[in-house]
Amino acid sequence: DQQVKQNSPSLSVQEGRISILNCDYTNSMFDYFLWYKKYPAEGPTFLISISSIKDKNEDGRFTVFLNKSAKHLSLHIVPSQPGDSAVYFCAATNSGTYKYIFGTGTRLKVLA
Amino acid sequence: ETGVTQTPRHLVMGMTNKKSLKCEQHLGHNAMYWYKQSAKKPLELMFVYNFKEQTENNSVPSRFSPECPNSSHLFLHLHTLQPEDSALYLCASSQERTSTDTQYFGPGTRLTVL
Repeated sequence: DQQVKQNSPSLSVQEGRISILNCDYTNSMFDYFLWYKKYPAEGPTFLISISSIKDKNEDGRFTVFLNKSAKHLSLHIVPSQPGDSAVYFCAATNSGTYKYIFGTGTRLKVLA
Repeated sequence: ETGVTQTPRHLVMGMTNKKSLKCEQHLGHNAMYWYKQSAKKPLELMFVYNFKEQTENNSVPSRFSPECPNSSHLFLHLHTLQPEDSALYLCASSQERTSTDTQYFGPGTRLTVL
């Protein structure tokens, strides 16, 4: 049973617009969440994280929102750029462990 | 070299072969990880090493054998693999083995078992 789900396998967005990538989780023990970005032929690279004590974390064009009651997090990219085209993975973990549980990824394509 | 490197980047092997995957991290980290990513599946944690000691074996078949001679190097020895073991194998490292220590990934080895 997948504990972290990314239900949209792909997303296309026009350059300059907002990209919203979604992630749902089932385990209420998760208290730390991360987003990774992966380009073809490269490993995942860390993008942004959020602790469950917050509901928002911002880093430049990237903002992650956490809704604990809905067990949902989202990554907003504003404005989207063609270089943002990649596969985005969300991951969740519990502070009592070091294991990351990953989603299956969402492929974002930003159209110029 | 910087970050986490993996060799080879691509590997094709028969079911009776023995091969090894190598990972090296240049970040001064103490924890290293092996992950497997099969098509359309999430990354699955296989093994974890902390200060060269194995701390996690996530029910991985014995045909996969990890080795960590020091905190900078991690190997995955492969023997008598099955076609379903074809996948992307990713190595990662983190400063410590805690949830908030970000894991940094290498580029992966794309393995094909014939």
